[in-house]
Amino acid sequence: EAQVTQNPRYLITVTGKKLTVTCSQNMNHEYMSWYRQDPGLGLRQIYYSMNVEVTDKGDVPEGYKVSRKEKRNFPLILESPSPNQTSLYFCASKMNWAAYGYTFGSGTRLTVV
Amino acid sequence: DQQVKQNSPSLSVQEGRISILNCDYTNSMFDYFLWYKKYPAEGPTFLISISSIKDKNEDGRFTVFLNKSAKHLSLHIVPSQPGDSAVYFCAASNRIQGAQKLVFGQGTRLTINP
Repeated sequence: EAQVTQNPRYLITVTGKKLTVTCSQNMNHEYMSWYRQDPGLGLRQIYYSMNVEVTDKGDVPEGYKVSRKEKRNFPLILESPSPNQTSLYFCASKMNWAAYGYTFGSGTRLTVV
Repeated sequence: DQQVKQNSPSLSVQEGRISILNCDYTNSMFDYFLWYKKYPAEGPTFLISISSIKDKNEDGRFTVFLNKSAKHLSLHIVPSQPGDSAVYFCAASNRIQGAQKLVFGQGTRLTINP
C-alpha cells in the first residue's frame, strides 16, 4: 500500500530534550515536506526537500532541522524543543516538485512541557 | 499574513442538503487551488482541485467553483452525507513559485447531521 509513515504518533517530552520524528514513504517520491497544524492557523510548511541532499526552509523553520540522506526518509529534528512547538505535525510527499497532489502521513501529536 | 482564508471555522448541514465551503485568497499569482479533507487522527487527503484557467471542476458529488475576479473559491457537496463530516482545507499555489509552495487555509469543520 502506498503510504507515508510517521513515528511516533504521539509524543510528550520536556523542554530542551532533543527528539526526532521519523517519516518514510514507499512511493519513490522525490519531494517531501513537513507541516505543522495549529488551531486557527491551518497547515504551515516547516521544511521541504526536492530530492536527496536538497532541503530548504518553509514558512516556519525556526527550531527545526531536517535531513534527506535517502530518498524514502525525511526526519524532522527538534534539537531543543520548546512549548511553542507543541503542535500536530504532518509529513507529506509527492512525485516531484511540479506535482500538486500530496500524500500525507497520519500525523504526530507533540506536546512539549 | 494569511494569504488563504477560510472564514468559517465550522459549518453544520442536514444530511441530503448542499454543503458550501468557502475560501478567499489575496495573492493574485495563485493559479492552482486544491481542497483537502481531514478526518480525526488521520492526515489530510486530496479531494478535488482546479486550475485558474477554469471556473468550475466537478467530481461526483463534489464541485469546486473559482471566481478569479473576487479571489474566491467554493466547494459544493451535493447531497451531503454523514461520511462527509470532516475538516476541509483549501490550499493554493502558483507555477512560477513552484508547486512546492502550497499555502493552506485555516480549515472548516463540516458536520453533517442525520
